[in-house]
Amino acid sequence: QVQLQESGPGLVKPSGTLSLTCAVSGDSISSSYWWSWVRQPPGKGLEWIGEIYHSGSTNYNPSLKSRVTISVDKSKNQFSLKLYSVTAADTAVYYCGRGFSSGFNDAFDVWGQGTMVTVSS
Amino acid sequence: SSELTQDPAVSVALGQTVRITCQGDSLRGYYASWYQQKPGQAPVLVIYGKNNRPSGIPDRLSGSSSGNTASLTITGAQAEDEADYYCNSRDSSGNHYVFGTGTKVTVL
Repeated sequence: QVQLQESGPGLVKPSGTLSLTCAVSGDSISSSYWWSWVRQPPGKGLEWIGEIYHSGSTNYNPSLKSRVTISVDKSKNQFSLKLYSVTAADTAVYYCGRGFSSGFNDAFDVWGQGTMVTVSS
Repeated sequence: SSELTQDPAVSVALGQTVRITCQGDSLRGYYASWYQQKPGQAPVLVIYGKNNRPSGIPDRLSGSSSGNTASLTITGAQAEDEADYYCNSRDSSGNHYVFGTGTKVTVL
């Protein structure tokens, strides 16, 4: 059974850097999946942040691209998110997810439980 | 446009049928996937591709697509179907994902 677990600080200061890690168990991060980050501000909808393949190839949400870096650590079977210059608008539950692409059938079939990150001084 | 638009809320009587729609230009080239999210929980994939259900998803949930509109239908709604539902697809570039605005389904 594949499981994803987010971890990282729950509180980040404005203008600081949000750093989260997603540990993957039950699957290899080098398998044929893309690994994504998705966030959800309190009471609002889902927003895709970006994705990474085990090769290191990345795609980012154009609205966040200038502030985001996603990286992979194959030795630890995990991937990470860094979001720079955060403001209160970045306060959200952050989810990691496994994405598969099969022709034009793309979806996220496994999700982490999510971790709440608050941006506040 | 890379937006996916959903009705904010719908209600359905217990045992009846409800259809949730998702509109966007990217759906002319990509199938939508659908996610069910209950309060305080992570989203769960319920439909992907033309009309595929992951293991464990009841067959009363089904998907369809026509033109720039994808639909999720719940046939014989149950109390446990009450949740927020989000559609998702690649955008027209194929390099990014976009989520729909979400639909809150209430089972009466």
